[in-house]
Amino acid sequence: EPEVTQTPSHQVTQMGQEVILRCVPISNHLYFYWYRQILGQKVEFLVSFYNNEISEKSEIFDDQFSVERPDGSNFTLKIRSTKLEDSAMYFCASSVWDRGLAFFGQGTRLTVV
Amino acid sequence: AQSVTQLGSHVSVSEGALVLLRCNYSSSVPPYLFWYVQYPNQGLQLLLKYTTGATLVKGINGFEAEFKKSETSFHLTKPSAHMSDAAEYFCAVSLGRGGADGLTFGKGTHLIIQP
Repeated sequence: EPEVTQTPSHQVTQMGQEVILRCVPISNHLYFYWYRQILGQKVEFLVSFYNNEISEKSEIFDDQFSVERPDGSNFTLKIRSTKLEDSAMYFCASSVWDRGLAFFGQGTRLTVV
Repeated sequence: AQSVTQLGSHVSVSEGALVLLRCNYSSSVPPYLFWYVQYPNQGLQLLLKYTTGATLVKGINGFEAEFKKSETSFHLTKPSAHMSDAAEYFCAVSLGRGGADGLTFGKGTHLIIQP
């Protein structure tokens, strides 16, 4: 069964460092998303991506964040200068249509120390 | 803008008892509604969804939910709880407009199953 895969499963980084979280969406999907879940809190929408550009982004997705689809299969989330409050589980998702029928990856747990 | 409210951050039921997880939404247009489940240390898995048509929606693992427009609710139920149902459950809404649109999640309800 097709699935969204994310790497790494857990990443520890020092405050101020850049991190790149990687995702391989389901191959025939056209819409891609990043969400995050701070420990004990709800899942929050970060950004959606379609046709090689950002379609929508939340207030959380500030200039420290960027997304890219570098090679037609991977979908990455970059945080330029990590802060302690960026520690969270980051979920990638993809869907065929823009109806929120999203399939989620297992998540990457980012710990900023 | 849309929003989702899940009543009860924790719900505890006995094994074999009815499970009822409550979700209310607000939306300026007819919404698409979803329930996701998150097992410990795992990602989000879609349980069921409502887009259009029949208001009673059946999902995986014996769960179902009913869309009630008059009550702006989409409560999740299961007639008989199993120990394996212990997880975090998230209700979510999407406007489903043309163009990519993110899901808005509720805060989640932690379901505890008592033996």
